[in-house]
Amino acid sequence: AQKVTQAQTEISVVEKEDVTLDCVYETRDTTYYLFWYKQPPSGELVFLIRRNSFDEQNEISGRYSWNFQKSTSSFNFTITASQVVDSAVYFCALSEAEDTDKLIFGTGTRLQVFP
Amino acid sequence: ETGVTQTPRHLVMGMTNKKSLKCEQHLGHNAMYWYKQSAKKPLELMFVYSLEERVENNSVPSRFSPECPNSSHLFLHLHTLQPEDSALYLCASSQDGGLAGGVTDTQYFGPGTRLTVL
Repeated sequence: AQKVTQAQTEISVVEKEDVTLDCVYETRDTTYYLFWYKQPPSGELVFLIRRNSFDEQNEISGRYSWNFQKSTSSFNFTITASQVVDSAVYFCALSEAEDTDKLIFGTGTRLQVFP
Repeated sequence: ETGVTQTPRHLVMGMTNKKSLKCEQHLGHNAMYWYKQSAKKPLELMFVYSLEERVENNSVPSRFSPECPNSSHLFLHLHTLQPEDSALYLCASSQDGGLAGGVTDTQYFGPGTRLTVL
């Protein structure tokens, strides 16, 4: 069965600290897609990244980086030099090639960045 | 307007009321989705429409009735709701949805409607 686990319910850091949000997934499909979304207080889920199961290269986008490791079924997200504007709930999600309509979300990690 | 918009942003209704949520996407996508986000629970997929046809109904009670008159608009009609239906209802769209043949399109979300049922 498909499942996404975000074990960290809430993380608090001080501005300029680095922070890593963990995501562990379960799937029986060999082809799948992983996503990260950000949900600020306004409510809208903002798409951050999509990665398919055949691409294990880590990705960096500005202060954001993602570490995809199939061996541990993890897709962790690191924010470098965090800022107050990074405060939000972050969701990791999984979609399998056999059921592409369905995004399976984790329960989210609430990140609070204090000045 | 760009992206995915939802109206109203906030809605309070009694259990005997009938109301509708509206979603509009300006991205030229062919698939649209309704999700429910309750406190401390993962987002739950409710309905999927692809080219205006419903392709998924995730065991949602009949008091929620979706309508997709065209690929840009999606409605969720509500009637005789229960207090436990209070949640944030999110709409999303993607390029092709399930028609992409095993490739998952990225879903883009609207800001949601915060629904409170009294």
